Order: sequence, then C-alpha cells, then structure tokens
Amino acid sequence: AQSVAQPEDQVNVAEGNPLTVKCTYSVSGNPYLFWYVQYPNRGLQFLLKYITGDNLVKGSYGFEAEFNKSQTSFHLKKPSALVSDSALYFCAVRLYTGRRALTFGSGTRLQVQP
Amino acid sequence: EAGVAQSPRYKIIEKRQSVAFWCNPISGHATLYWYQQILGQGPKLLIQFQNNGVVDDSQLPKDRFSAERLKGVDSTLKIQPAKLEDSAVYLCASSLEGGESAIYFGEGSWLTVV
Repeated sequence: AQSVAQPEDQVNVAEGNPLTVKCTYSVSGNPYLFWYVQYPNRGLQFLLKYITGDNLVKGSYGFEAEFNKSQTSFHLKKPSALVSDSALYFCAVRLYTGRRALTFGSGTRLQVQP
Repeated sequence: EAGVAQSPRYKIIEKRQSVAFWCNPISGHATLYWYQQILGQGPKLLIQFQNNGVVDDSQLPKDRFSAERLKGVDSTLKIQPAKLEDSAVYLCASSLEGGESAIYFGEGSWLTVV
C-alpha cells in the first residue's frame, strides 16, 4: 500500500518570506514523488517530481522540493513567496515498480499575505 | 500541445438520475485515469486504463459507476443512478507509460447531485 500525509491543512506566510509545505509518504519500495498545485475551479497542475538522483529537485514557478529518504519526506519549498502562489498544494506518491496510479495527500492550502 | 479535454465542465442533476462525462487525453498518452475529488479532499483514483484495457478499478463503485475507453483514446465515465454523495469534481488525467511520467490533468467536470 502507498499513502501520503500532509500534516498542515493551511500554511500562512508573508509575501517575500520563504515557504515550506510539508509531505511525508509511506510506500513499500522506492517511491516516485510529485507535487501538484490547484487554483480555484481548476484542475491540478504539475509542479515537480523526484525520480532518482539529486535529492533537491527544481520545478515550475521557482518551487523546489527536497527528498529525504531517512525521514520519508518530500517537502515543497520556495525561497520567496508571492501572493499569486496562494493555492491548494497536493503531494503524491507512486511505487517505483508496477503501474499503480498516483496516490494523493489531502492537500495544504497556502495563503500568502501581501 | 493540447491538454486533457473534459466535458461538460458543470452538471447539476437530481438523485437517481444518470450523467456521463467525456475525456480526451493528451495525444500519444497511453494511460488514462479518472479521479474523484470531493470538496476539501485529495483526488481519489476511480479507474486507470492502459490503452483500452483496465489496469485498476478497485475503487470504482461498480454498482453505479462505469467507464470505458473503447478505442484506446477518449473515455466516458457514467454514473447511474446518482447519489447525493457523488457530488464532486471528476478529474480526467493522462500520462505516458512508465512510472516516472507525470500525470497531466484536465480542468475537471463539476457534478452537483440535488
């Protein structure tokens, strides 16, 4: 079985400050990890993924995420938040082997205040 | 490149009525998914197709939900009869084969059952 936990329902940060959205995962084997963003009344947009290699992956809109195997975490980060980053963020996991679909976390709402 | 197309965007029906959603994936994507997203939750997989074969339908309520992808391209998801708890966004997504591939989502079909 595979699962994802996003421990924070909401994260509030001031514009210009760094942001972190937390994600931990559980999977039997090596994981593929993904972050998606969802704006109001829209579908999910792909931000970035970790497959293998460098633990720090860079994605769209200045976001990056750090894979930590010992802590089974894949936290999303951005050095300087923008008001336009305010949205719903989902972490997702998939097993390295097999053809399983992505399993998503419950989402974290990011609110960036001006 | 065109994204995942879904229709209709919005649908309101009475309980016990039927509804159908259509999806056309990104050209060349062999894998197609239908996810259900209830307000405030992460997307949950309903069914996964590889070409025109079903890979995973373990979470599809088969007494009322059905899906097909007859020619391995576009797909239809049907609900009959609808229940109040089926009110959700139905997200279609597609990807290339291979676990490392990102999944790309359509804008979703918003269903309200009254």
